[in-house]
Amino acid sequence: ETGVTQSPTHLIKTRGQQVTLRCSSQSGHNTVSWYQQALGQGPQFIFQYYREEENGRGNFPPRFSGLQFPNYSSELNVNALELDDSALYLCASSLIESAEAFFGQGTRLTVV
Amino acid sequence: AQSVTQLDSQVPVFEEAPVELRCNYSSSVSVYLFWYVQYPNQGLQLLLKYLSGSTLVKGINGFEAEFNKSQTSFHLRKPSVHISDTAEYFCAVSGDTGNQFYFGTGTSLTVIP
Repeated sequence: ETGVTQSPTHLIKTRGQQVTLRCSSQSGHNTVSWYQQALGQGPQFIFQYYREEENGRGNFPPRFSGLQFPNYSSELNVNALELDDSALYLCASSLIESAEAFFGQGTRLTVV
Repeated sequence: AQSVTQLDSQVPVFEEAPVELRCNYSSSVSVYLFWYVQYPNQGLQLLLKYLSGSTLVKGINGFEAEFNKSQTSFHLRKPSVHISDTAEYFCAVSGDTGNQFYFGTGTSLTVIP
């Protein structure tokens, strides 16, 4: 158990729709990162939030956006869903000064 | 920029045999290195990490890895595998971007009874 929880565990959406995924960080952690893991691939860094501000972004288009709340919960929003957005989405909770992070179980998003 | 190459996509090994999963990285800055394990339909679990100090790192479940700066490698080893070690293994690197990780494509370890 990492103390990081994600919801929902599974989700099916239609192409063009919008989706919101949620993450509850480990208590006291001030940083949350989101990753996309396509089938058969390693996780790819989407972005990181630190103290409610974006603190780095990977090679993902602007339709991927996020929020971090004062209680260190976080959301990943994806607009205009595409079939290629089907993946496991992982959030990782950490302290900004720490080199390691703790991952949630992920949300499996299927776009049809 | 950092990147990770996992040289073997699939590794079958017999139970109680030794195994090595290979990982090479590239980075223009000092790095931190990690191995994670992922069981089916689950998230990532940290096996071990190299941050500094001794280049031989011991982790959970009997795994160990050695950081080799000259060869830019961080290979994962276990002297005797069990059926329960069957899983996907990911090597990851972070560096000047703190705890933002870059992952390899993974190695699927299958332990054969």
